[in-house]
Amino acid sequence: AQTVTQSQPEMSVQEAETVTLSCTYDTSENNYYLFWYKQPPSRQMILVIRQEAYKQQNATENRFSVNFQKAAKSFSLKISDSQLGDTAMYFCAFMKHDGDNAGNMLTFGGGTRLMVKP
Amino acid sequence: DTGVSQDPRHKITKRGQNVTFRCDPISEHNRLYWYRQTLGQGPEFLTYFQNEAQLEKSRLLSDRFSAERPKGSFSTLEIQRTEQGDSAMYLCASSPEKQFFGPGTRLTVL
Repeated sequence: AQTVTQSQPEMSVQEAETVTLSCTYDTSENNYYLFWYKQPPSRQMILVIRQEAYKQQNATENRFSVNFQKAAKSFSLKISDSQLGDTAMYFCAFMKHDGDNAGNMLTFGGGTRLMVKP
Repeated sequence: DTGVSQDPRHKITKRGQNVTFRCDPISEHNRLYWYRQTLGQGPEFLTYFQNEAQLEKSRLLSDRFSAERPKGSFSTLEIQRTEQGDSAMYLCASSPEKQFFGPGTRLTVL
């Protein structure tokens, strides 16, 4: 079984500043994906970024980037130039990858509530 | 809008009643997932379908819960004899690979 841990229940950042959200996970799987999802208040879950475990290069999506440390089982999210619209719950999630049978359940962390202050 | 849709968005029921939720996935997505999210927590997996086949069920899915996906299109999640502990947001997601989530159905059991 996999576990995902987010040790920061709440964080805040000033608009235009950079913030890093932490995530650690535990698994015996070798092939897997890691995700960061964003859930704005009263709105639906949105995929922010995805990382394939076999790729050494860290994923980036515009202002969002990850620091993936496979040996340490660490997967942090960096948000640059924070905007008010980034205020949301952020969930780290794990999904094992079964080759051609790709697409399995997500295991989520407990979330980090991020507040971007003007 | 061609995203994942869920109906109803909110449901208030009395303990002991049965409730049914519907999820309409993105049309070309063959996989459909149900999750439950309690306040301030991350979603927890309940079950998933590939086309019409239910491939996996969580231990969270007690005998009072049943899910179907007839014809591999929309899915329903039914909870029989609801309990106060069933109060949560029920999320549906669909994918070919990346999971896209619907807005959820918030259930309140009084």
